[in-house]
Amino acid sequence: AQTVTQSQPEMSVQEAETVTLSCTYDTSESDYYLFWYKQPPSRQMILVIRQEAYKQQNATENRFSVNFQKAAKSFSLKISDSQLGDAAMYFCAYRSRTSGGSNYKLTFGKGTLLTVNP
Amino acid sequence: DSGVTQTPKHLITATGQRVTLRCSPRSGDLSVYWYQQSLDQGLQFLIQYYNGEERAKGNILERFSAQQFPDLHSELNLSSLELGDSALYFCASSAGQGPTYEQYFGPGTRLTVT
Repeated sequence: AQTVTQSQPEMSVQEAETVTLSCTYDTSESDYYLFWYKQPPSRQMILVIRQEAYKQQNATENRFSVNFQKAAKSFSLKISDSQLGDAAMYFCAYRSRTSGGSNYKLTFGKGTLLTVNP
Repeated sequence: DSGVTQTPKHLITATGQRVTLRCSPRSGDLSVYWYQQSLDQGLQFLIQYYNGEERAKGNILERFSAQQFPDLHSELNLSSLELGDSALYFCASSAGQGPTYEQYFGPGTRLTVT
C-alpha cells in the first residue's frame, strides 16, 4: 500500500522569505501523480501543484515549485516570497496511474501547518 | 470556488443518530469521491462513485453508506453515530474515473457528534 509521510508537523517562515516543506512516500509503482494541497482556515482543499512521476522536470506554479526526487521517493514543496495568505495546512498527496480498484483515490500525508510571520 | 457544493456546512447530532450529507459535483463531472478528515486519522478516502455505480471502497465503516443518483448528486449516510465519527467530510468530483482526471474538492461538511 502507498503511504505518504510529512515529517514536519509545523513550520514557520518570515514574510517574503522562502520555506521548504518535506514529503516522502512509499510505493512499488513506477507511474503516479504527486500533489500538494493547501487547506486554509476556511477548510477548503485547494490544489497548489501537481507532479507527474514520468516527467523529470520539476513542476512550478508561480511562487510554488517542487523538488521531485523519484529514486529517493521525495517530493518537497518550495514556497518563495512567502505571503501572509500562504498560511495554511499543507498536505502532500499521492495518486496512482494504474487502472482499477481504488487506485484513483488520493492518499494524503498528515499535513504541515505553515505559519507566516509578518 | 471549485464548483462542488456540499450541504449542510455544519451538523451537530447525538450519538446513535443517523445523518445524510449531500454533495453536488461540478457540472458535467461523473465521478464523486468521499473523504473523511479527522484529528486522529487524518484525511482518508471512503468511497467513489462513477455515473451512479460504486467504483471503489476505502476505509468506510459498515455503518456508513453512499449512493449517487441519476442527476449525479451523491449522498453519504452515516448511522448509529459515535463520538469518533466527528470529522470534516469532503466530497470531490472529477470529470471521469481514470487517474488523469483532477479531483475538485467541495467545502466540506463538519459533523459533530455529542
